[in-house]
Amino acid sequence: DQQVKQNSPSLSVQEGRISILNCDYTNSMFDYFLWYKKYPAEGPTFLISISSIKDKNEDGRFTVFLNKSAKHLSLHIVPSQPGDSAVYFCAASGGGGAQKLVFGQGTRLTINP
Amino acid sequence: SQTIHQWPATLVQPVGSPLSLECTVEGTSNPNLYWYRQAAGRGLQLLFYSVGIGQISSEVPQNLSASRPQDRQFILSSKKLLLSDSGFYLCAWSVGVWGFYQETQYFGPGTRLLVL
Repeated sequence: DQQVKQNSPSLSVQEGRISILNCDYTNSMFDYFLWYKKYPAEGPTFLISISSIKDKNEDGRFTVFLNKSAKHLSLHIVPSQPGDSAVYFCAASGGGGAQKLVFGQGTRLTINP
Repeated sequence: SQTIHQWPATLVQPVGSPLSLECTVEGTSNPNLYWYRQAAGRGLQLLFYSVGIGQISSEVPQNLSASRPQDRQFILSSKKLLLSDSGFYLCAWSVGVWGFYQETQYFGPGTRLLVL
């Protein structure tokens, strides 16, 4: 059972435009959500996170939105830059103790010049 | 600052051979430690996690095992590798705190394992 889903395996965006990556989850116990960026043959790099007590968190060009009623989160990157081309994973956890993150399958973002 | 190391970076092993991947963390004490695997074209699957020395929790039954002989050392092993063990293995750490707030996991550079 895929508890965290990224339904778009790939996304192509023009440089300077907004990139929107989406993620859906099914487990209502999840209360902490993260986005990671991954280049080939490297470990994922933490980008931004959001707690379930918030509906928005912003860090520079990156903003994460959380819609708990829809069990949906999204990552907005604006403006998109060529260096943003990577695979983006969303992850979720139920909180407390050793954090067990459940990851989505990833979305490959390509920024075109 | 904290640093996480994994080695080797790449490994090619024959089917049936043993495996030992090592992960160490610097700059923190009592971290939670994790082993993940990313199969080709797929997401990250949690294999093992540890909240302390000698404490290992397994998420997926398989022919792999993990050990934590020291506070900041995490080892992934197998006695006999299978073809299906090929993949990208990632070690991660998080602050070892029990509480109601969440902690982010930070990943190492990964080990690419090819079983032939």
